[in-house]
Amino acid sequence: AQSVAQPEDQVNVAEGNPLTVKCTYSVSGNPYLFWYVQYPNRGLQFLLKYITGDNLVKGSYGFEAEFNKSQTSFHLKKPSALVSDSALYFCAVRGVTGGGNKLTFGTGTQLKVEL
Amino acid sequence: DTEVTQTPKHLVMGMTNKKSLKCEQHMGHRAMYWYKQKAKKPPELMFVYSYEKLSINESVPSRFSPECPNSSLLNLHLHALQPEDSALYLCASSQVTGTRETQYFGPGTRLLVL
Repeated sequence: AQSVAQPEDQVNVAEGNPLTVKCTYSVSGNPYLFWYVQYPNRGLQFLLKYITGDNLVKGSYGFEAEFNKSQTSFHLKKPSALVSDSALYFCAVRGVTGGGNKLTFGTGTQLKVEL
Repeated sequence: DTEVTQTPKHLVMGMTNKKSLKCEQHMGHRAMYWYKQKAKKPPELMFVYSYEKLSINESVPSRFSPECPNSSLLNLHLHALQPEDSALYLCASSQVTGTRETQYFGPGTRLLVL
């Protein structure tokens, strides 16, 4: 079975500071990892994904994520946070096994960026 | 363009009503999905359509009935719902079903069952 853990329910960051939202995964075989963001009363917006290749993945809105196979992690990062980054962030994993290539989401991390 | 549209945005229905949710995409995607999301929780997969055929039903109660009339449209027919079915219903699409494929989500329909 595949799973994703987001250990922090909430992350608070001051505007202008770097931010990290943590994600660890468990999957048989090669992992395919995704980050989505959800603003209040909105659907999920795709940020970035790791399929293969370079461990540092760049995505939308200045976000990037670092894939670390030995630590089974895929943390989301941004060098300088904005108040407008405040939202709910979901990490998701897809494995070759585990039910028809199903996308499995983490429980979400609420990011709050304050002035 | 990675747009998935959903109508209506909001829906209030009684437990005896019949209503439908609609989802549309014009990206040429051949896989479409319905998810249910409760507040502050991750989306839960309900159904997957691949090339207009139902490929996954995650043991969803029969009061939810999906339909894929063509490759651009996905409907979710609702009948005799319960108050606990109140949630945000999200539609998504991807090029095809597959581990590398990115799913693109619509804005959702917020459903309230009274």
